[in-house]
Amino acid sequence: GAVVSQHPSWVICKSGTSVKIECRSLDFQATTMFWYRQFPKQSLMLMATSNEGSKATYEQGVEKDKFLINHASLTLSTLTVTSAHPEDSSFYICSAHRGLAKNIQYFGAGTRLSVL
Amino acid sequence: QKEVEQDPGPLSVPEGAIVSLNCTYSNSAFQYFMWYRQYSRKGPELLMYTYSSGNKEDGRFTAQVDKSSKYISLFIRDSQPSDSATYLCAVNTGGFKTIFGAGTRLFVKA
Repeated sequence: GAVVSQHPSWVICKSGTSVKIECRSLDFQATTMFWYRQFPKQSLMLMATSNEGSKATYEQGVEKDKFLINHASLTLSTLTVTSAHPEDSSFYICSAHRGLAKNIQYFGAGTRLSVL
Repeated sequence: QKEVEQDPGPLSVPEGAIVSLNCTYSNSAFQYFMWYRQYSRKGPELLMYTYSSGNKEDGRFTAQVDKSSKYISLFIRDSQPSDSATYLCAVNTGGFKTIFGAGTRLFVKA
């Protein structure tokens, strides 16, 4: 079964509003989680690495004030898209490592964001 | 040069065919090789995981790694329409950072 839960699966919002996406590790503790963005028919683009208890590490070109990441517990990381605009519409996916296998990532089901 | 190269396809095959999906990579430090399957509007699902060179088989799926030529493959035997998805290869040195290929879209026609 799923080891990483992501919610919501689909959200529609008005331009200018903020949207929060949750990513939970279901039966394990995840000190590190990852947030990806994926455009249609394209591969995964790593946005940031979420670290429990500390600031997230953002990839080059990703606005940290735009995409706020909070990893307040060992099982939950959140991504908040602030003041969303239509160009932020995309598929957002989180992932986590399980146990000592740092090199294997388990993904959430993804969140489809549509900004009107 | 991208660290991982993967032909995006699409690849269309008849049901029952053997499918070969491939990736090349540039960094010889990569030791871990993964294949993920992603259905439309879903998160990727880990299919196969291989350490170093060699073959690994799981049911109808076989993953193959040739480190000398920096080439990784996924073979699907007796392909089914339910195998229609995007397949992403991924490589890793053993740390947290995983590099993903662009993904190959596969269509298996009934």
